[in-house]
Amino acid sequence: EAGVVQSPRYKIIEKKQPVAFWCNPISGHNTLYWYRQNLGQGPELLIRYENEEAVDDSQLPKDRFSAERLKGVDSTLKIQPAELGDSAVYLCASSWRTGGLGYTFGSGTRLTVV
Amino acid sequence: SQQGEEDPQALSIQEGENATMNCSYKTSINNLQWYRQNSGRGLVHLILIRSNEREKHSGRLRVTLDTSKKSSSLLITASRAADTASYFCATALQGGSEKLVFGKGTKLTVNP
Repeated sequence: EAGVVQSPRYKIIEKKQPVAFWCNPISGHNTLYWYRQNLGQGPELLIRYENEEAVDDSQLPKDRFSAERLKGVDSTLKIQPAELGDSAVYLCASSWRTGGLGYTFGSGTRLTVV
Repeated sequence: SQQGEEDPQALSIQEGENATMNCSYKTSINNLQWYRQNSGRGLVHLILIRSNEREKHSGRLRVTLDTSKKSSSLLITASRAADTASYFCATALQGGSEKLVFGKGTKLTVNP
């Protein structure tokens, strides 16, 4: 079974440019998460989807970040425009159980904004 | 904001020794999980302990949970060089929003 697939693995962009990350969750996992991990820190939740509905986006900086999960399967996270402070690893995870159970993380996208 | 705080931030030991990492958290939890992250890679789930459990074992891993002290520990016995990684505790909050709240992690180095 394929795990959570993310692309690209690495991305280097200049500040003020747009960037997008893609995630394909494990088949059958209804819940999809985007986390951001700053250097030397643990991951922090940006947004959670239940199928195609964003049910927790309280930590998503909505002035520059947007996300979508059309058809309730794969998802895209976008930043426009990117700032230097957005440099981080963006992790996607999916799960099929409630209560914080059954998580599987992807390998992440390492973003560097120069 | 981060719920958990791991201690120590970094740990260096010799192969064959045991490694103990601690995690403290602030609010009531449904369960607590430990994850491992190799440099530049994603997170791998290691072990989960529910709020009504006190100890769990999985291979060379032993996790304890003390809900009265809001703390947990992860013990890796007979460590190997391949155990070198960062270890994070993550809490699923009681009655919460399904998200996991991670600590800052402990960076473990096992020297051959």
